[in-house]
Amino acid sequence: GENVEQHPSTLSVQEGDSAVIKCTYSDSASNYFPWYKQELGKGPQLIIDIRSNVGEKKDQRIAVTLNKTAKHFSLHITETQPEDSAVYFCAATENSGYALNFGKGTSLLVTP
Amino acid sequence: NAGVMQNPRHLVRRRGQEARLRCSPMKGHSHVYWYRQLPEEGLKFMVYLQKENIIDESGMPKERFSAEFPKEGPSILRIQQVVRGDSAAYFCASSPGGTYAYEQYFGPGTRLTVT
Repeated sequence: GENVEQHPSTLSVQEGDSAVIKCTYSDSASNYFPWYKQELGKGPQLIIDIRSNVGEKKDQRIAVTLNKTAKHFSLHITETQPEDSAVYFCAATENSGYALNFGKGTSLLVTP
Repeated sequence: NAGVMQNPRHLVRRRGQEARLRCSPMKGHSHVYWYRQLPEEGLKFMVYLQKENIIDESGMPKERFSAEFPKEGPSILRIQQVVRGDSAAYFCASSPGGTYAYEQYFGPGTRLTVT
């Protein structure tokens, strides 16, 4: 199956700073790349996604970029707030289907 | 406007017992996915179902695990003769199909503990 690598595994930033999380994938057929936020004891929450025919997408303080040639995509959070603290997962569809292959997660801590 | 519902939220089983996990998709969603999450790990795909059909079960263990999504009622993930290694959080996700088939919305999960 496809491999999705995610970095860093932990990230600590000060409130107001930006945070960037990066993922790479191996399956050329992947065409959908969502990002999820998971808080302790809860299910993953879809926060933003991007399709393979788009290079960048933005939603308020969150943006995602995709480089299909290099097979990597990134999550950018600007003006971070303490409530952004959570584990963030990237994912990519595999084998031209709908099943998602997830990265191992990034634990983001935003300190006041 | 309820989201994806899963029950029970916590389930404790002894080795050798059966575990049944239920998932009710969001209203209007006809696609259901099951994922398993081990501690400190990402989610691993298990199975993708539409009403009365298994579309992709490439992530399901060959033995003891089965899933269904009947015409009426919730989707069920069934684990027979549980072992300690089955202890994990099991998440269900649903999507609406069509143009938005890729968008998967997750439930709160069922945390299974095998003693």
